[in-house]
Amino acid sequence: GAVVSQHPSRVICKSGTSVKIECRSLDFQATTMFWYRQFPKQSLMLMATSNEGSKATYEQGVEKDKFLINHASLTLSTLTVTSAHPEDSSFYICSAQGHMDTQYFGPGTRLTVL
Amino acid sequence: QKEVEQNSGPLSVPEGAIASLNCTYSDRGSQSFFWYRQYSGKSPELIMSIYSNGDKEDGRFTAQLNKASQYVSLLIRDSQPSDSATYLCAVNGRDSNSGYALNFGKGTSLLVTP
Repeated sequence: GAVVSQHPSRVICKSGTSVKIECRSLDFQATTMFWYRQFPKQSLMLMATSNEGSKATYEQGVEKDKFLINHASLTLSTLTVTSAHPEDSSFYICSAQGHMDTQYFGPGTRLTVL
Repeated sequence: QKEVEQNSGPLSVPEGAIASLNCTYSDRGSQSFFWYRQYSGKSPELIMSIYSNGDKEDGRFTAQLNKASQYVSLLIRDSQPSDSATYLCAVNGRDSNSGYALNFGKGTSLLVTP
């Protein structure tokens, strides 16, 4: 149980375009999901907390107008990177919160912006 | 600022030995504690959760929690080369099921040598 999927697993796009990443909890309902970014050989960086039916809470330094988060249902959260630039190239990972604050991670999306 | 501290390593152990990974945390009100394993280029995977003082065993893994000392550890018995990864300690905040993100340590890199 407690499976989280992410789609796509890998995406390459041109600078200036927008990219949407989907995060789904497949076998449980998640009121809260989280979005992380990880650069090579660095730690996980929490970008935002996504709560179903309400606005996301962004960490300091994360541009909410650039990283749009929508949590429209208890099983789906989406992250849209708007007007992507090469510096946005990174590994984006979502997680869904389960019992006793357990976080179950998706497999991640590797974004490359050319 | 809630902090979770881990030795970054690398911790090198020979195959078949016991690997001991340690973590300290600053929030005395924390109630849930987790160990995640992250292979290079992959997302974190939940190994163990522990909520009460003492030991919790699952196969070759044992998590140990000491709330008085604000210390949590992970023992890996009969270490295998496939255990080589970064191990992340994560701790929740004061309110369980509050939707608050876990606080992650920066991880300890484990290398099991054949």
